[in-house]
Amino acid sequence: NAGVTQTPKFRVLKTGQSMTLLCAQDMNHEYMYWYRQDPGMGLRLIHYSVGEGTTAKGEVPDGYNVSRLKKQNFLLGLESAAPSQTSVYFCASSTGQGFRYEQYFGPGTRLTVT
Amino acid sequence: ELKVEQNPLFLSMQEGKNYTIYCNYSTTSDRLYWYRQDPGKSLESLFVLLSNGAVKQEGRLMASLDTKARLSTLHITAAVHDLSATYFCAVDLNTGNQFYFGTGTSLTVIP
Repeated sequence: NAGVTQTPKFRVLKTGQSMTLLCAQDMNHEYMYWYRQDPGMGLRLIHYSVGEGTTAKGEVPDGYNVSRLKKQNFLLGLESAAPSQTSVYFCASSTGQGFRYEQYFGPGTRLTVT
Repeated sequence: ELKVEQNPLFLSMQEGKNYTIYCNYSTTSDRLYWYRQDPGKSLESLFVLLSNGAVKQEGRLMASLDTKARLSTLHITAAVHDLSATYFCAVDLNTGNQFYFGTGTSLTVIP
């Protein structure tokens, strides 16, 4: 039982390049989330999904797209990276059962855009 | 938009002392979560508080929730070095969809 995994762990992009971050969970959770963490700002929700085939915008969705084609995977895409997207990205999942939305986090992806 | 404020942002305390971290939020919610993050690591769930008056304890940490005051506290009893970490509170709008995190409290316990 690996929990929540993220690929890659580190990445350096040049401005304008694109990339996809992969999040996978093996806990059969319905809800999945993408956050970014910047110094002094806590975590901010980018996008989330409440089930396979669904996605929705969070607090800071601009410049990102997501897809959830399979229940266990949640992909975060950057179509044209900008230096402002330099951050640590965390994926999380939760069961959503019993109104308990305790989130389990992946190890994070450190992205630098130059 | 929900605002979540934690204080203090930085806390340096001696081993054996007690202290409280505060988490205030700006709109109605009766679900609050506490997480711990070690440097360079991911977040680990500590407590889930699901109703007014909820109190949870684990070891030297105790969390409580007052939904009327829109306030949660994380109390540290007789701190030890292993508790050094950053602690975050998070609130969701009773939907499980939108979570708002505080900016975190960086705790350093000095021997």
